Amino acid sequence: KAGVTQTPRYLIKTRGQQVTLSCSPISGHRSVSWYQQTPGQGLQFLFEYFSETQRNKGNFPGRFSGRQFSNSRSEMNVSTLELGDSALYLCASSTDRANNEQFFGPGTRLTVL
Amino acid sequence: AQRVTQPEKLLSVFKGAPVELKCNYSYSGSPELFWYVQYSRQRLQLLLRHISRESIKGFTADLNKGETSFHLKKPFAQEEDSAMYYCVLQTYNQGGKLIFGQGTELSVKP
Repeated sequence: KAGVTQTPRYLIKTRGQQVTLSCSPISGHRSVSWYQQTPGQGLQFLFEYFSETQRNKGNFPGRFSGRQFSNSRSEMNVSTLELGDSALYLCASSTDRANNEQFFGPGTRLTVL
Repeated sequence: AQRVTQPEKLLSVFKGAPVELKCNYSYSGSPELFWYVQYSRQRLQLLLRHISRESIKGFTADLNKGETSFHLKKPFAQEEDSAMYYCVLQTYNQGGKLIFGQGTELSVKP
């Protein structure tokens, strides 16, 4: 099976712009979660989507949003970018079973100038 | 509040020495705990989960609810164990939400 893929891998934006990141889960996985990784805060949960519905949400401002399509692919959007949004954004997919393993993508490195 | 604490940012040992990576958690319910690992230039991946009670690559971890700990241990470290290790908490009924510790970088010297 192909692993989780994320596009683009690298992105440079300026403050005030918006950005959309994409994640394709492993075939058959219906849960997609997003995480932000920074040197200062580490790995923080953004949100989770399951069957096109947001099931869980972390403590991030409303500028961070996401969606999931019927084929389980997911996108996350960050509007009005701030310098502090510079981070590695990781996507993970899993089946919907208890104690399920999450499979991570390689991440999208976002730099905000 | 749900929290995972890994007190050591960096742990350096010699090959063949025992290793213990510490992890403490804060959660009032019944936790699901995992160790994830990231080797150099590789993706974050699951190492082991407490529910399985198995040894993976020689590593074991025991959940101690009294001490709210889930330390990762290996009796004899190998150079290929050098990596970033994350202790992770998953709370009941919160599906894909994982709460990560800050991570411990393990360096095994020859």
